[in-house]
Formats: sequence, structure tokens, C-alpha cells
Amino acid sequence: AQRVTQPEKLLSVFKGAPVELKCNYSYSGSPELFWYVQYSRQRLQLLLRHISRESIKGFTADLNKGETSFHLKKPFAQEEDSAMYYCALSAEVGSYIPTFGRGTSLIVHP
Amino acid sequence: EAQVTQNPRYLITVTGKKLTVTCSQNMNHEYMSWYRQDPGLGLRQIYYSMNVEVTDKGDVPEGYKVSRKEKRNFPLILESPSPNQTSLYFCASSPPAGGLHEQYFGPGTRLTVT
Repeated sequence: AQRVTQPEKLLSVFKGAPVELKCNYSYSGSPELFWYVQYSRQRLQLLLRHISRESIKGFTADLNKGETSFHLKKPFAQEEDSAMYYCALSAEVGSYIPTFGRGTSLIVHP
Repeated sequence: EAQVTQNPRYLITVTGKKLTVTCSQNMNHEYMSWYRQDPGLGLRQIYYSMNVEVTDKGDVPEGYKVSRKEKRNFPLILESPSPNQTSLYFCASSPPAGGLHEQYFGPGTRLTVT
């Protein structure tokens, strides 16, 4: 069975500090991994996906198959980054039940 | 504008009174799904649909029903709501092979069952 673990419910940092939101997964095959973000009173939206290897809003995430992790990082946090972040995993083609982590609430203080 | 819409956005009801939450998407997506979001539990999938007339259970289907008679609509039905179904519900859609593609989420429906 696939599983996604986000060990931190809440992460609180000051503006300008580095941020790392942790995501660990368990899956025996080759997963597709995503980070979704939910700003206050808004719908969830895709932030980035590992296959794209892109940086969105200064965030990056690298898939580490050895450590089965997909941590989300940003070198300098901004107040507007305050939101709920969800890591999600989908198995290889044919799987229609993406698995979400429980989410991490990021608060960036001025 | 490409979007997923849900109605109602807020609903307060009583135990046992049947209700339906509608979901509609205008992107011609084949895959649609319903999630509930609860504090500390994250997003859990209730039901999903790969296409018209094709639906299947997610992780927490008990107490819910769905139907997919048209590609654009995927209503969530609670035949006899109970207080433990008080939650924030999200509908989502994506292109074919939903698991590997970005999911587009609706704005959410906050349901309270008393």
C-alpha cells in the first residue's frame, strides 16, 4: 500500500528564513509525487510535481528514492508563503487513488 | 474560465436528512473525485470516477454515494447524514489517467450535520 507521511503539522518561521517541509513516502514502485498548496480560504492548487523539476514561487522539491523523500524547500520564506501544504503520491499508470499526506501548516512571521 | 464548481458552499443540516452536493467541471476531464478534509487527517478520497457511468470507492466511502451520468457532473449524495460527516468536502477533476496528472480542485463545501 502507498503511504505519504508529513511529520510536521505546523512549521513556524520568520520571514527570510529557510523553509523545509518534509514528505516521506512508502511505495514499492516508481511514484509520481506532487506538492499542493492551499492558501487561506482558497482551493487547493498544484504547486509543483517532481517530474517537472521546476521551481515555483521559489520552492523546489527533489525526489530522493534512496530516502523515499520529497521534501519541499525554499531558501528565503515570505509572508505570502503562509498556507497549508500537502504532499501527494500517485502510483504508476493505472492507479486512480492518489494518496495525500495529512498536510503541514506553514506560518511565516514578519 | 476553466474551473471546478461546487454547490452549495456551506450547508447546515440535521441527522438523517438526505442531501446532495453538486460538482461540475468545464474542462472535459474524464477523471473526477471527491475528498473530505478533516483537521489532522488531511485529504481522504471518498469516491472517484474514471468516466461516465464508471465509479469506484476511495478510502472512506461509507455513508456516501455518487453518480456520473454526464461527463461534467459528479454529485456527492449523503442518503442519511450523520454528525461524523461534518467536514470540508472538495471535488476535483483531471485529464485521463487521473493519478498522474494535476488535479483541479473545487472551492470546497463546508458541511455541518447536527
